[in-house]
Amino acid sequence: SQTIHQWPATLVQPVGSPLSLECTVEGTSNPNLYWYRQAAGRGLQLLFYSVGIGQISSEVPQNLSASRPQDRQFILSSKKLLLSDSGFYLCAWRGGRRVAKNIQYFGAGTRLSVL
Amino acid sequence: QQQVKQSPQSLIVQKGGISIINCAYENTAFDYFPWYQQFPGKGPALLIAIRPDVSEKKEGRFTISFNKSAKQFSLHIMDSQPGDSATYFCAASTGGAGGTSYGKLTFGQGTILTVHP
Repeated sequence: SQTIHQWPATLVQPVGSPLSLECTVEGTSNPNLYWYRQAAGRGLQLLFYSVGIGQISSEVPQNLSASRPQDRQFILSSKKLLLSDSGFYLCAWRGGRRVAKNIQYFGAGTRLSVL
Repeated sequence: QQQVKQSPQSLIVQKGGISIINCAYENTAFDYFPWYQQFPGKGPALLIAIRPDVSEKKEGRFTISFNKSAKQFSLHIMDSQPGDSATYFCAASTGGAGGTSYGKLTFGQGTILTVHP
């Protein structure tokens, strides 16, 4: 079966510090990968998506970047965090073999607080 | 054009009642409409989904009603239970399993459902 792992679960970082959130998917190959941000009481905003290794598309101009160094690994980064980067970050995957291709599966999320 | 508007923002229902959440969209190219359920501190999980070639889909106590001409779809939760208390998101995407949309979902703003015992 397929699983998605996201870590850390919670993170408190000072303004100006770097960020690295990691997401890995198991049990599938060549998935589409997505990073979302969810502000308190709000919907999900798509930040980045990737259809393959090294391929990153950005949806929203911002202080963040994403990378996909391996087929099932997706990393969200920042060189200098802003207060406005606080939120709940979710990784998701779709596609690959042996699964219904339209379904997106989400990780458990990372709660980021920038102080 | 890409928005999905969801209402109400919050909903309180008594146990055993019917919960109804509505969504409207503008982009007629949308061809996949899922609903996600999210519990506090967790990632969203797919609840039920529908394609525009059917007007209704039912899975247990959960039903999606779809009105293509009105560009609206809704989630009905029958016999609502306290365990159904969660945030519900509607979403839409284009391109099906392929195409150039890459499965990107456009989400509604969410509805916080509280079911009182």
